Amino acid sequence: NAGVTQTPKFQVLKTGQSMTLQCAQDMNHEYMSWYRQDPGMGLRLIHYSVGAGITDQGEVPNGYNVSRSTTEDFPLRLLSAAPSQTSVYFCASSGDWTNEQFFGPGTRLTVL
Amino acid sequence: AQSVTQPDIHITVSEGASLELRCNYSYGATPYLFWYVQSPGQGLQLLLKYFSGDTLVQGIKGFEAEFKRSQSSFNLRKPSVHWSDAAEYFCAVLYSGAGSYQLTFGKGTKLSVIP
Repeated sequence: NAGVTQTPKFQVLKTGQSMTLQCAQDMNHEYMSWYRQDPGMGLRLIHYSVGAGITDQGEVPNGYNVSRSTTEDFPLRLLSAAPSQTSVYFCASSGDWTNEQFFGPGTRLTVL
Repeated sequence: AQSVTQPDIHITVSEGASLELRCNYSYGATPYLFWYVQSPGQGLQLLLKYFSGDTLVQGIKGFEAEFKRSQSSFNLRKPSVHWSDAAEYFCAVLYSGAGSYQLTFGKGTKLSVIP
């Protein structure tokens, strides 16, 4: 049981490039979320999903897209990277939104 | 809108001393409250949660938290800190309504432990 996995662990992009951060879970969880963590800011919710085919915006959705075609996967897309998107990104999943969220190990993204 | 305040950015305690980390929340309804811990370079791990019932909740690693509605607080405590408790601690409140579910985190309190 791998839990929540994220790839890549590290990524450096140039301004304007696009990329997809991958997130997968093998716990058959319905709820999945993407957060970004910046120094002194805690974690802020970017997008979340309550099941396959259903997504919604969180606190800081601008510049990010998501889709949920399967229960297992919840990729986060940056269409045109900006330096303000330099951050550590965490994916999380939960079987029930009121219960524990299981976090992945994070992806450290730098945009130059 | 919901919000979470952790007034202390950084706390240093001696090993064996007691610990209290403060958390205040703003939320119109009955809150669902959580404490998470993040070790350096790691993701977050749930310490404990409060939904209803007994206002003193026990968690993992010897932590407990007390919900005080009158003070809008959910402070985390541990009677005797171990060096391995050095980490960053996040309080969070769950907002749910109109089909929306959002977990709002505080900015965190970094705990340093002096041997």
